[in-house]
Amino acid sequence: SQELEQSPQSLIVQEGKNLTINCTSSKTLYGLYWYKQKYGEGLIFLMMLQKGGEEKSHEKITAKLDEKKQQSSLHITASQPSHAGIYLCGADISSSNTGKLIFGQGTTLQVKP
Amino acid sequence: DVKVTQSSRYLVKRTGEKVFLECVQDMDHENMFWYRQDPGLGLRLIYFSYDVKMKEKGDIPEGYSVSREKKERFSLILESASTNQTSMYLCASRLPGSWNEQYFGPGTRLTVT
Repeated sequence: SQELEQSPQSLIVQEGKNLTINCTSSKTLYGLYWYKQKYGEGLIFLMMLQKGGEEKSHEKITAKLDEKKQQSSLHITASQPSHAGIYLCGADISSSNTGKLIFGQGTTLQVKP
Repeated sequence: DVKVTQSSRYLVKRTGEKVFLECVQDMDHENMFWYRQDPGLGLRLIYFSYDVKMKEKGDIPEGYSVSREKKERFSLILESASTNQTSMYLCASRLPGSWNEQYFGPGTRLTVT
């Protein structure tokens, strides 16, 4: 099984609806990164969470880190077609902060107009 | 803006060929990474480099080698391409130190026939 599990694997929502993507680690998290990828392209950095309880927002996207559960959630409010893509979480599971990340398998989001 | 470029977006090679994938970044980043991305598996780290002429194996180095002769360039080499190396290859770079995000290139989709 993966060290970093994302759920759901895919999601189809109606435009305007809210949605949540979860990322759960089987190991201690020292940093959690969220990226977005358009199909066939590179990853775009969204935000990074470091401390338990930390919450960050950018436009309509909010990410939270639950240190106790070793889990992060990404919440999109009032989804738009521009939010469609693959969302990946990446985690630094090394206390020495080598910069090496492990990634979840990704969540594919479709937003129906 | 950080720019990470990869030599080709699409590449088709034959089994047994030697394949070079080039990655160049323009922000003087010490750390560079090569990943492959496969459906359902997310990104998996092949090799990374902390600085010029330094390299370390990632999680799936078998069948690959790398070269980092200059700071801005990190090359991935498939010594003898095989069909199971058909994949999307992504390069990334970052500044060393805590909590710095990785910047990704657009990816190279390699098909080995």
